[in-house]
Amino acid sequence: GQQVMQIPQYQHVQEGEDFTTYCNSSTTLSNIQWYKQRPGGHPVFLIQLVKSGEVKKQKRLTFQFGEAKKNSSLHITATQTTDVGTYFCAGDATSGTYKYIFGTGTRLKVLA
Amino acid sequence: NAGVMQNPRHLVRRRGQEARLRCSPMKGHSHVYWYRQLPEEGLKFMVYLQKENIIDESGMPKERFSAEFPKEGPSILRIQQVVRGDSAAYFCASSPPGVRTSYNEQFFGPGTRLTVL
Repeated sequence: GQQVMQIPQYQHVQEGEDFTTYCNSSTTLSNIQWYKQRPGGHPVFLIQLVKSGEVKKQKRLTFQFGEAKKNSSLHITATQTTDVGTYFCAGDATSGTYKYIFGTGTRLKVLA
Repeated sequence: NAGVMQNPRHLVRRRGQEARLRCSPMKGHSHVYWYRQLPEEGLKFMVYLQKENIIDESGMPKERFSAEFPKEGPSILRIQQVVRGDSAAYFCASSPPGVRTSYNEQFFGPGTRLTVL
């Protein structure tokens, strides 16, 4: 079945450093979503990417969808302590299903 | 507009008891998803429902687990004869109806933390 892997599993950075998490799917995706989950909280939608090679920015966050639509990345510039949490990608297969397979997540800790 | 509501927030059950988890989607949303999250792990899809219909339950264990989304009232995830391995956070998410449902974000509830003693 479809699998979505993320690396790294954990990342500790000093406040002000950059951070990147990578998402790789075993199958081609029709679209991909990114979510953030704070410790003890629930996932919150960040963004959706649909087009091959698409790049979207939200302030310090940059999201990219690979040309082959099998991988994606999230880059945070100059991390802040408020960025702490687990970042999940969620992929929807090209069959156009409504079912999103969530990645394994990258847990980010920011040291002040 | 209230968000997705789940109750109870915390549920403690002894082995062999039944657990009933409720989810009220956002107003106007007719799609409901249930996910299970084990500590330190990602979200695992369980089931996708629309009003009165189970669309995809491929992530549900074959036994003891069932879900429904009646015409009136919340969606219910029921776990019969719970075992310790059922301890997890169960999240419900909803999304609005639409032709291209897969392009809609999912709004998550706060989750129900189930502990089986």
